[in-house]
Amino acid sequence: QQKVQQSPESLIVPEGGMASLNCTSSDRNVDYFWWYRQHSGKSPKMLMSIFSNGEKEEGRFTVHLNKASLHTSLHIRDSQPSDSALYLCAASRNNYAQGLTFGLGTRVSVFP
Amino acid sequence: GGIITQTPKFLIGQEGQKLTLKCQQNFNHDTMYWYRQDSGKGLRLIYYSITENDLQKGDLSEGYDASREKKSSFSLTVTSAQKNEMAVFLCASSISGGHSYEQYFGPGTRLTVL
Repeated sequence: QQKVQQSPESLIVPEGGMASLNCTSSDRNVDYFWWYRQHSGKSPKMLMSIFSNGEKEEGRFTVHLNKASLHTSLHIRDSQPSDSALYLCAASRNNYAQGLTFGLGTRVSVFP
Repeated sequence: GGIITQTPKFLIGQEGQKLTLKCQQNFNHDTMYWYRQDSGKGLRLIYYSITENDLQKGDLSEGYDASREKKSSFSLTVTSAQKNEMAVFLCASSISGGHSYEQYFGPGTRLTVL
């Protein structure tokens, strides 16, 4: 069973619209959440990370975290065609050197 | 800044063959990782290494060996390639410790087994 569940599997968004992505961990020992973006044929690059309850905003991107439910969400406002990519949520147990546990991803397509 | 280099970019092997993938980083990061990605889906951890000569197994280590002989390099060996296997192998590195340890990924090696 996937320890990090992402939904939806895919999302089609009109240019200028809002994209909302969800991610939940079933591992109660998780402390940190990460959002990576992977454009087609490219390697993943970190978009945002969040460790504390609440909200974090960077430009058009906002991340929420509810540590009690181990749920995080990523919201992209004013979506652009360049935002079309695979969005990967990952979780880690602590801030030291361990591998990340990734979800299967949400594929976002933004159409003009 | 720094860069992660993976070689080869494309690897075609035969069933049962032993295949080696290489990764080099010049970030001077302590920790390096190998992940496998199937069909544009999520990544699964194969091995990681927190320092030179250290190896730690991930969830997908069966069928693979790894080697970290230098701080800057981390190799992965597919011990016996499986027929019709297709995947992208991604190497990553990060600073160990600290509150935030973003992982930086290389461009990947795309494996096809005939």
